[in-house]
Amino acid sequence: ELYLLESGGGLVQPGGSLRLSCAASGFTFRSYAMNWVRQAPGEGLEWVSALSGSGGSTYYADSVKGRFTISRDNSKNTMWLQMNSLRAADTAVYYCAKARYGSGINYAFDIWGQGTMVTVSS
Amino acid sequence: DIVMTQSPDSLAVSLGERATINCKSSQSVLDSSINQNYVAWYQQRAGQPPRLLIYWASSRESGVPDRFSGSGSGTDFTLTISSLQAEDVAVYYCQQYYTTPYTFGQGTKLEIK
Repeated sequence: ELYLLESGGGLVQPGGSLRLSCAASGFTFRSYAMNWVRQAPGEGLEWVSALSGSGGSTYYADSVKGRFTISRDNSKNTMWLQMNSLRAADTAVYYCAKARYGSGINYAFDIWGQGTMVTVSS
Repeated sequence: DIVMTQSPDSLAVSLGERATINCKSSQSVLDSSINQNYVAWYQQRAGQPPRLLIYWASSRESGVPDRFSGSGSGTDFTLTISSLQAEDVAVYYCQQYYTTPYTFGQGTKLEIK
């Protein structure tokens, strides 16, 4: 069965850091680009970052550029999102999502995790 | 950035009736070299992650009931549910994956009338 499992969310103070993990199972992880998408409470979906299958190409939303870093270890079937200088506006459920077709990024997202909640508050 | 605008914001339809959701992109998301529109539709039920319904604007994802269909090209796209079922109550999002930042529509809340 294909699945993604996020972890690492929690409560953090403004200016703090958090590292999210996304563990993958049931598919050849290295063959697919991966994404992070977030959803603030009661709000819509916002794409955050993408990473090619090899990990060599990364992409970020302007709202997180310079603060967040996406990475992966294909030997561990795991992706991470390192989040620094966190702000209240970063409060959201963070989902990892798999690109539908290949290692390039321009594909729809066919598998989503259940999400992990990040709350930035003092 | 490409802005995706959905209409309506909410929709109430009777069971068995047709539901139509529209999505307009601020610029074309058609790659004419491969004749594909980089648009997807997702369903998000309450408390659940999004679920891919449609990709390439009109291709139905495996396991998605055939009452769901997508159409459109260029900048105008439509998701149609031909005969609404109770389990279709959800928020529906369109998305462009033509270029980063990938962007989603604001969502359309679908309810039973």
